[in-house]
Amino acid sequence: EVQLVESGGGLVQPGGSLRLSCAASGFTFSDHYIDWVRQAPGKGLEWVGRTRNKANRYTTEYAASVRGRFTISRDDSKNSLYLQMNSLKAEDTAVYFCARAQGGNHFDLWGQGTLVAVSS
Amino acid sequence: DIQMTQSPSSLSASVGDRVTITCRASQGISNNLAWFQQKPGKAPKSLIYAASSLQSGVPSKFSGSGSGTDFTLTISSLQPEDFATYYCQQYNSYPLTFGGGTKVEIK
Repeated sequence: EVQLVESGGGLVQPGGSLRLSCAASGFTFSDHYIDWVRQAPGKGLEWVGRTRNKANRYTTEYAASVRGRFTISRDDSKNSLYLQMNSLKAEDTAVYFCARAQGGNHFDLWGQGTLVAVSS
Repeated sequence: DIQMTQSPSSLSASVGDRVTITCRASQGISNNLAWFQQKPGKAPKSLIYAASSLQSGVPSKFSGSGSGTDFTLTISSLQPEDFATYYCQQYNSYPLTFGGGTKVEIK
């Protein structure tokens, strides 16, 4: 089955760190750009960032709101994507989704999401 | 950043109605626009890409149009499973941005 499955969410204190994972199956993970998108409780969707594929040197892009605090990486040998989140703030509280960018453009596959809550 | 403005933010409609949602970009994005459907507690589902191309497996009652700055999503005959929130998203330039969403509710 073609799918993305996120894990690693939980409750963390402000200023803390957390690492999310996204496991891919059913397709050639290494060919694709993969993104992180988040959704704060009761709010809309917000793009977090992207990692390109090996052919594009695994380069990354980030939203201004997370640049310098969050780092996206991937391990193609494990079909996995990661989001390292440091210096977490209350406003980072959200469900985090990973999404496949088909052709490096539009999202065509989403994971089910993992909830991150930043609170003391 | 490119701002994506959806209208209306919510609407009430009946089963069988034709529904149109509008999305406007703050600058031209060619046809680099996608539409998503999201139900409560679920992940978004991809409906349309390149402004008017239907994602595989999506029923033909969904259609998209537009180019440049103005886009529409149309549901030809609303069914109970279509009551959800719909988002547009531009992928023309970074940062990728989403519209604020349109909640389609039952009248």
